[in-house]
Amino acid sequence: GAGVSQSPSNKVTEKGKDVELRCDPISGHTALYWYRQSLGQGLEFLIYFQGNSAPDKSGLPSDRFSAERTGGSVSTLTIQRTQQEDSAVYLCASSLSIYGYTFGSGTRLTVV
Amino acid sequence: ELKVEQNPLFLSMQEGKNYTIYCNYSTTSDRLYWYRQDPGKSLESLFVLLSNGAVKQEGRLMASLDTKARLSTLHITAAVHDLSATYFCAVANTGNQFYFGTGTSLTVIP
Repeated sequence: GAGVSQSPSNKVTEKGKDVELRCDPISGHTALYWYRQSLGQGLEFLIYFQGNSAPDKSGLPSDRFSAERTGGSVSTLTIQRTQQEDSAVYLCASSLSIYGYTFGSGTRLTVV
Repeated sequence: ELKVEQNPLFLSMQEGKNYTIYCNYSTTSDRLYWYRQDPGKSLESLFVLLSNGAVKQEGRLMASLDTKARLSTLHITAAVHDLSATYFCAVANTGNQFYFGTGTSLTVIP
């Protein structure tokens, strides 16, 4: 596709439920990132995939968070047993080189 | 961990005026990026600075990078209302992990 696609755009879930957020990167982009942006805050790094290398998971805030990237393309971020503090916008970005990182429009997650 | 600080956090300026946003970072890097974010929207890439002394300009915005001082600036010339947005700088480490500043919320007043 022409850009990074994220789905759903909005998700409201009950506390304790699991959610899956999807990211379709730009075709051919080898690097994929997940970030979290809380209301009025900056971006918090979560996880980074580069090609077939082991992902950099150093930003995941707890073991309730996990992510995978299948076939070097689509990525899914899973949050188990959601908590209210997980409410945020989750942004995905992909890149082919250091010259350009393209962000998706994000998934706004609200845990009630 | 690489730390990135932006200032000011909030900036209200009149149309036609000039101002500079500063981005300082804590460890060596020669890759710095500026992004714009409109309310409720994602991040739009503005500038990619990849070497010491790099200067990029687009319209009323000009970005520069001083890797020795670990400082980048985003200069706004003759501000217009359309520039109202939040501006983020981001620094990449050798592992290609991005570290973002806290953002500068810019409001241009007619």
